[in-house]
Amino acid sequence: ETGVTQSPTHLIKTRGQQVTLRCSSQSGHNTVSWYQQALGQGPQFIFQYYREEENGRGNFPPRFSGLQFPNYSSELNVNALELDDSALYLCASSSRGLRGETQYFGPGTRLLVL
Amino acid sequence: QKEVEQDPGPLSVPEGAIVSLNCTYSNSAFQYFMWYRQYSRKGPELLMYTYSSGNKEDGRFTAQVDKSSKYISLFIRDSQPSDSATYLCAMNRDDKIIFGKGTRLHILP
Repeated sequence: ETGVTQSPTHLIKTRGQQVTLRCSSQSGHNTVSWYQQALGQGPQFIFQYYREEENGRGNFPPRFSGLQFPNYSSELNVNALELDDSALYLCASSSRGLRGETQYFGPGTRLLVL
Repeated sequence: QKEVEQDPGPLSVPEGAIVSLNCTYSNSAFQYFMWYRQYSRKGPELLMYTYSSGNKEDGRFTAQVDKSSKYISLFIRDSQPSDSATYLCAMNRDDKIIFGKGTRLHILP
C-alpha cells in the first residue's frame, strides 16, 4: 500500500452534474498529480498541485479544476459532466514534483456518467 | 503520431518464461523513463525508473533504455502467475508524465 487514499471509490452521476473527488497524499509529500484513465488506456495527466498552487496542466478543459489544502490533500472538481468523463481518476503524491521515481498512486475513483 | 506507443496485447506466456515488454517514443525531450504495474481495479505501482541509456536491474526485472532508437524495454525473468497485470511505460517531459496505453500480460500456470 502506498499510503495515498482516494474517496469515494465509486461514483455514478448524470450528464451535466458536478463531481468532487478527494485525495489524501502520503505523509511527507507536498505534491499531488491527478490523472484520468479511460478503459483500456494509460493514465492521462490532468494537472499537478505543488504547495497549494497549480504547477502544470495537461490537455483538459477548464471545467476540470482542483485545489490543494495546507495539509497537501487535494480535490478534483469536474463541472458539466459529459459521458466521456466516465473513467478511473487517479491521484499520485510525490515529494519532488514530477520526478517519476517518487510518484505514488492511490487506488483511484471510478466515475460513471450516465 | 502519439508521443508514446505501446502494444496493448494481450500477451500470454507460460510460467517461467522471460517476458519482454516494449515502448517506442517520438520526443527526444523525455528525461525519465518508468515502468508501472497495474493490477485490475488498483492504481499503478512504480516498478522501475531510469534516466539514462543502458540497463537497470532489480531482482527479476530489467529495464533497458535506448535513447538513440527511442525505445525502452522491460524484461521479466522467471515469470510468475502473480506477474499477470497491465504494464505501463511512462516518460517524464518538463512538467508532466506521459503514459503508454499499457500491455496486458497473462502468465499461464
